[in-house]
Amino acid sequence: KAGVTQTPRYLIKTRGQQVTLSCSPISGHRSVSWYQQTPGQGLQFLFEYFSETQRNKGNFPGRFSGRQFSNSRSEMNVSTLELGDSALYLCASSLGGLAGEETQYFGPGTRLLVL
Amino acid sequence: TQLLEQSPQFLSIQEGENLTVYCNSSSVFSSLQWYRQEPGEGPVLLVTVVTGGEVKKLKRLTFQFGDARKDSSLHITAAQTGDTGLYLCAGDDQAGTALIFGKGTTLSVSS
Repeated sequence: KAGVTQTPRYLIKTRGQQVTLSCSPISGHRSVSWYQQTPGQGLQFLFEYFSETQRNKGNFPGRFSGRQFSNSRSEMNVSTLELGDSALYLCASSLGGLAGEETQYFGPGTRLLVL
Repeated sequence: TQLLEQSPQFLSIQEGENLTVYCNSSSVFSSLQWYRQEPGEGPVLLVTVVTGGEVKKLKRLTFQFGDARKDSSLHITAAQTGDTGLYLCAGDDQAGTALIFGKGTTLSVSS
């Protein structure tokens, strides 16, 4: 079966702009989670959506937002970009049970560079 | 706050050597997972350990979950160049729907 796809793979933006990243989960998966990965902080949880509802949220400012559509595809948006937002943004899909008990399938990520 | 600390941060070894990577926390986790991430790709799940004291083997990789479910280790026997990558441990957060990751161990195996 097709894996998790993320678009775009690479993105360059300038400070103050906004950006939208897209994630298409594995067919049949209803949960999509987003993570930010940086060399200094590692992988940090942003938010998780299940059946179009945000079910869990990490400790990130309100500039980071997301949504999920009826076909389970998800988007995340970052407004008023800062240099520190430069990172690899990963999404993961799963059936929607407990995160520690089922397999999270990660996409290849979108690498965002903010200049 | 639940935290997972991994050590060592970097490991550079020769092919054929054995190594152990550690994942420690002061919090109890219902389960811990180990992932491997290669450059340009997302993490891929290697194993989930659920029971305290559990040992799981995946070919040359041996995973152990501490009796108190606060720590885990990954042991690789006779490392190969294909084992090169970033090894991450992760546990579920208190809500159960997100993963908390350690910062990872970057392993480099040279021939």
